[in-house]
Amino acid sequence: GAGVSQTPSNKVTEKGKYVELRCDPISGHTALYWYRQSLGQGPEFLIYFQGTGAADDSGLPNDRFFAVRPEGSVSTLKIQRTERGDSAVYLCASSPPGLTGANVLTFGAGSRLTVL
Amino acid sequence: GENVEQHPSTLSVQEGDSAVIKCTYSDSASNYFPWYKQELGKGPQLIIDIRSNVGEKKDQRIAVTLNKTAKHFSLHITETQPEDSAVYFCAASKETSGSRLTFGEGTQLTVNP
Repeated sequence: GAGVSQTPSNKVTEKGKYVELRCDPISGHTALYWYRQSLGQGPEFLIYFQGTGAADDSGLPNDRFFAVRPEGSVSTLKIQRTERGDSAVYLCASSPPGLTGANVLTFGAGSRLTVL
Repeated sequence: GENVEQHPSTLSVQEGDSAVIKCTYSDSASNYFPWYKQELGKGPQLIIDIRSNVGEKKDQRIAVTLNKTAKHFSLHITETQPEDSAVYFCAASKETSGSRLTFGEGTQLTVNP
């Protein structure tokens, strides 16, 4: 596609529920990132995929958070037993292959998660 | 890890004036410094970036300067227009594949017509 697509754009859930957020990166982009942005803050790194594998998941806050990218394109961020503190905008970004483009991230519009 | 500080947190200017946003970083190994513009309800959009092998880069009304010795970099917007109103974020990373971006806390720029 022309840009990074994220669904749903808004998700309201109850504390303790399970949530999945989807990211469809730009075609041909091999690297995919998830960031989390709390209100009034800059985005914070969660996880990075190169192809199908999670090359760096050190930003995931705890084991309730998990992400997959089974075919090296679409990625799903999964949050178990949601807590009110998980409320934030979850941003996905992708970047092209090659060293000079590796850090040039294109972000999606984000999925706003609200945990009641 | 890297720490990026950004100021001011809010900036209000009159249309046509210049705006300057400043950031400092802590990790001397960082060598890639992008700036993102985020409008309400949208994701951050890259507007300009600079790598450590240059001290200044300009793109029309936008320029970025980098002082590696002092570990700070700045965004300069000249001839501001109301459509420049948005939140601006600086970031820093090492320019290697997969290197995470560390963002500043953002500057809310308002350009008054």
